[in-house]
Amino acid sequence: AQTVTQSQPEMSVQEAETVTLSCTYDTSESDYYLFWYKQPPSRQMILVIRQEAYKQQNATENRFSVNFQKAAKSFSLKISDSQLGDAAMYFCAYRYNDMRFGAGTRLTVKP
Amino acid sequence: SQTIHQWPATLVQPVGSPLSLECTVEGTSNPNLYWYRQAAGRGLQLLFYSVGIGQISSEVPQNLSASRPQDRQFILSSKKLLLSDSGFYLCAWSYWQVVGVGYTFGSGTRLTVV
Repeated sequence: AQTVTQSQPEMSVQEAETVTLSCTYDTSESDYYLFWYKQPPSRQMILVIRQEAYKQQNATENRFSVNFQKAAKSFSLKISDSQLGDAAMYFCAYRYNDMRFGAGTRLTVKP
Repeated sequence: SQTIHQWPATLVQPVGSPLSLECTVEGTSNPNLYWYRQAAGRGLQLLFYSVGIGQISSEVPQNLSASRPQDRQFILSSKKLLLSDSGFYLCAWSYWQVVGVGYTFGSGTRLTVV
């Protein structure tokens, strides 16, 4: 069974600094997709970034980028120039058929 | 454009009462539909998913059931609520047979069973 592990329940970053959230997953598949979702206090799930496993190039979306290590089954999210609005729960997700989520990392941004 | 509606936003129900949460999608046809539950401060647990009308798959045995009476309507139900059914329920949709796109989520229902 596919599992997604986020080993950091909580992280903290100073405003304007960079933070990296970790995610590992377990799968026997070779073609799949990985996602990071953000859940602010409103609890609306917002897609931050996606990565195709068959692409070696790491995805980037403005201040958000990933470090995808397929052999290590690792998919970390880097947030650069952190802003107060980045404070949220962040969920890593794996999709082959349906989507499986990690337990989440709560990110606090300090002014 | 596609939108997903989920209601109610908040619900307080007594133990033993029935439950009906509804989710509808607009702007697309034959979507895959999902119900997730999120316990306080926890991740998302997949409860049910549906790839078509009347087709429901259950991930975990529980006090809940799901139905899909129309193409873009997904309903989560219970005949008798338990305290352990409290949580935040999220409906989501994705394109049929398109795996590379993420899910789009509704705004959620906060259910408190008292």
